[in-house]
Amino acid sequence: EVQLVESGGGLVQPGGSLRLSCAASGFTFSSYWMSWVRQAPGKGLEWVANTNPYGNEKYYVDSVKGRVTISRDNAKNSLYLQVHSLRAEDTAVYYCARHTNAWDYWGQGTLVTVSS
Amino acid sequence: DIVMTQSPDSLAVSLGERATINCKSSQSVLYNSNNKNYLAWYQQKPGQPPKLLIYWASIRESGVPDRFSGSGSGTDFTLTISSLQAEDVAVYYCQQYFTTPWTFGQGTKVQIK
Repeated sequence: EVQLVESGGGLVQPGGSLRLSCAASGFTFSSYWMSWVRQAPGKGLEWVANTNPYGNEKYYVDSVKGRVTISRDNAKNSLYLQVHSLRAEDTAVYYCARHTNAWDYWGQGTLVTVSS
Repeated sequence: DIVMTQSPDSLAVSLGERATINCKSSQSVLYNSNNKNYLAWYQQKPGQPPKLLIYWASIRESGVPDRFSGSGSGTDFTLTISSLQAEDVAVYYCQQYFTTPWTFGQGTKVQIK
């Protein structure tokens, strides 16, 4: 069974940093593109970043470029998102998702709240 | 960026009746070399992550009931629920994966009338 489990969210002060993790199981993690997608409370979905199976291709939405780094450790079946200089508008549930033809599996998400 | 616009924002349909959601992209998401539309539909219920329903605009994901269908090409797409069931109450999103940044519609809330 495919499983994606996010962790690392929490309450952070503006300007702070956070590292989110996504533990994958039930499939060959190293064969898939992976993404982070976020959803602000009561709002829609926003793609944040993605990376290829090898981790050497990375793409970001403009609103996070320079503040966010996506990475992966295929030996640990894990995906990461390092976020710096957090702003109130980064408050959201962050999901990791697996790519095939679209995003076919999603984790349950981890909530990041940016507030003083 | 490709802007995805859904209509309506919400709709209420009687049980067993048809529900139709429209999605329009600001530019074509049809890749001519393979004749595929890079368009997906997701369902999201409260407190849950999105669930993939349809990809390539009209291909139903494994396990998705056949009352869900997708159609359209180029810039205009439709998700149809042929006979609304109580468990279909959710927000539905279209998404283009033609080019980054991959973008979603604003969502359509489907309720029971």
